[in-house]
Parts: sequence; C-alpha cells; structure tokens
Amino acid sequence: GESVGLHLPTLSVQEGDNSIINCAYSNSASDYFIWYKQESGKGPQFIIDIRSNMDKRQGQRVTVLLNKTVKHLSLQIAATQPGDSAVYFCAENTGGTYKYIFGTGTRLKVLA
Amino acid sequence: KAGVTQTPRYLIKTRGQQVTLSCSPISGHRSVSWYQQTPGQGLQFLFEYFSETQRNKGNFPGRFSGRQFSNSRSEMNVSTLELGDSALYLCASSPRPGNHNEQFFGPGTRLTVL
Repeated sequence: GESVGLHLPTLSVQEGDNSIINCAYSNSASDYFIWYKQESGKGPQFIIDIRSNMDKRQGQRVTVLLNKTVKHLSLQIAATQPGDSAVYFCAENTGGTYKYIFGTGTRLKVLA
Repeated sequence: KAGVTQTPRYLIKTRGQQVTLSCSPISGHRSVSWYQQTPGQGLQFLFEYFSETQRNKGNFPGRFSGRQFSNSRSEMNVSTLELGDSALYLCASSPRPGNHNEQFFGPGTRLTVL
C-alpha cells in the first residue's frame, strides 16, 4: 500500500509493552480532539475522542490524556500488539463542525 | 456491510489535465466528506455533502469541486491540475453530517501529477 508519510517520527515498541504517542496542538480554544489510526494502504480510522472539559478518557486498551495548560495530547496504548503498527495522528477542532487541524502523525512500529 | 469504496485507487495525470474521483459510501450513510492528505500538510478538509447539497467547504481553490448523487455516491473533480495537487484523496461517509466518531474512511485515491 501507499505510504502517507515517508519521514514521520517513528516510535518503536516491543510487543506487549505500552506505547505513548504525543501530539502538540496549536489552538488554546480547541475544545474537541480526536485520535486516528492509519494503516498502510488504508484510510484513517477513528480511535478515541476527548472534549476539553475532560483530562482523561479510556477506551479498549487506549487512553487519551489532555493537558490544556501546555496544549498537549497523548495516546496511550496498553500491551501493544503487532496489529497496532500504523501511523497515528491527532486532530483538534478549532470551532465549527469542520474546523479541524490534523497532525501529520507518528509511525508506531511494533517489534516482535 | 461493505465499507467505503473509492475508484480509481491510483491515477497519474499531467499538469493542466482534469480528474474525477469517485466515492461510494457505506449503505445508509448520507453524508460524504472529502479530504486531501499529503506528507507535509497532513489531512485537510475539502468539502462535505449531505442530501446532494454541499454543506461545508474547506480552504481550497475553485479548481476543486464535487457533487453528490441521489444514491449518496459522490464525485470530486480537480481541474487544471498542478504538481502540488499530488496527494492521497480520501472520502469518508457517516450517517449524518459532522459525526466524526461515526465517520468511516475509504482507502483513498493516490493522485500523481507529472
């Protein structure tokens, strides 16, 4: 499949370990955030979202943390599996249904 | 249930030409959005259609246009292609507009402009 980003920052994690992927967002007024997963040759897939009135939200094996003070978002993946290998990127809503800024992402490589 | 399908998957064009990309949404989804994805810019919103009407438009020149048919299938057209239009064009469908947690993306059309 095609590569979306050939020069993305890469995080290599041993299978079974936890992964932490970070994202710095730009607009202090952003009130809604999304994490996406994009596997090679596929479109992005919604993973988890969080609103600005929350600091933490948990899903299945994933946790998103929001630090509004430093405009930082992180995605934690527990017990990383080979199927988690993908590019992960965040999106912030800057106001309005379609006013999103999408990050370019981090490539996660899971080592067997 | 079949996912979002996009055709063609790969396309090579030369500068000045025009191109039409097609998207078939998930059955029952009436909202279709289009995005451009490049390594340097990430994902950028192009436009969104619902019930054959363009509801929202991103910050792209008028060379980029689209339409939606009564069966919710959508096409986007880029006229007078430029080298910078080389990108992965993604289509996403959802039951209703603006529902990002119910939005599903297709695999994209990789457009290369020479």
